[in-house]
Amino acid sequence: GQQLNQSPQSMFIQEGEDVSMNCTSSSIFNTWLWYKQDPGEGPVLLIALYKAGELTSNGRLTAQFGITRKDSFLNISASIPSDVGIYFCAGPPDNWGKLQFGAGTQVVVTP
Amino acid sequence: EAQVTQNPRYLITVTGKKLTVTCSQNMNHEYMSWYRQDPGLGLRQIYYSMNVEVTDKGDVPEGYKVSRKEKRNFPLILESPSPNQTSLYFCASSWGGRVTGRNGYTFGSGTRLTVV
Repeated sequence: GQQLNQSPQSMFIQEGEDVSMNCTSSSIFNTWLWYKQDPGEGPVLLIALYKAGELTSNGRLTAQFGITRKDSFLNISASIPSDVGIYFCAGPPDNWGKLQFGAGTQVVVTP
Repeated sequence: EAQVTQNPRYLITVTGKKLTVTCSQNMNHEYMSWYRQDPGLGLRQIYYSMNVEVTDKGDVPEGYKVSRKEKRNFPLILESPSPNQTSLYFCASSWGGRVTGRNGYTFGSGTRLTVV
C-alpha cells in the first residue's frame, strides 16, 4: 500500500507568498521526485533528487532530499497564479517499476 | 514529440461491458505503468511492466488486466467493469532507474472513465 504521507492536503495562499510542503515515507528512499498536475492534465516532473541532503532548484521551486532519506520538502517562492495545481511527491520503494505517490497537495493562489 | 498517448480521453460505459484503454509511448522506454486517480487518494498504481512480456501487480490490480506484447504499447483491460472503477486513469512510461537524470515516469493526459 501507499507508504508516502504528504502534507498539507491543501493550501490557499495569496499571490507573492511562499509555499512549503513535505513528504515522509515509512521506508528509506534512494530517489525523491516532485510532480505537478495542472487541471485536466497528467502529472509533470518538476524536480528529481538523488542524494541525501541534496538541494535542487528549478526556477522558483526548490526541493530537498532529507538527511534521514525518509523525507523530502518542496518550496515555491513568490507564488504566481500559474502555480495553481496539485503537487505530488513520489519515490521508488524497492524497484523503479513500483513508483509510489503521495496523496498530493492542492495549491490555490488568489490575487 | 516525445509523448505518452492514451485513448480514449473520455469513456462512459455500462457495468459488465468489457473495455480496453490503449496506451502507446514513442520514447523507447522499458518501464510502463497504469495509475488511477481518485479524490483524496492521489495516484495509485494498478499494474506496471518492466519490459516486453514482463508485468506485475501494483497496489490496486483487482478487476484489471494488462499485456505488454510490444515495447511501445501497454493496454489496460477491464473485463467486467463495475461502478467502483469509475476514475481518472493515467498511463506512464519511464527509463527506470538505470539512466541517472532521466528517471521518473512521463504521463499521458488521462482517461476519464465512468461506469454506470
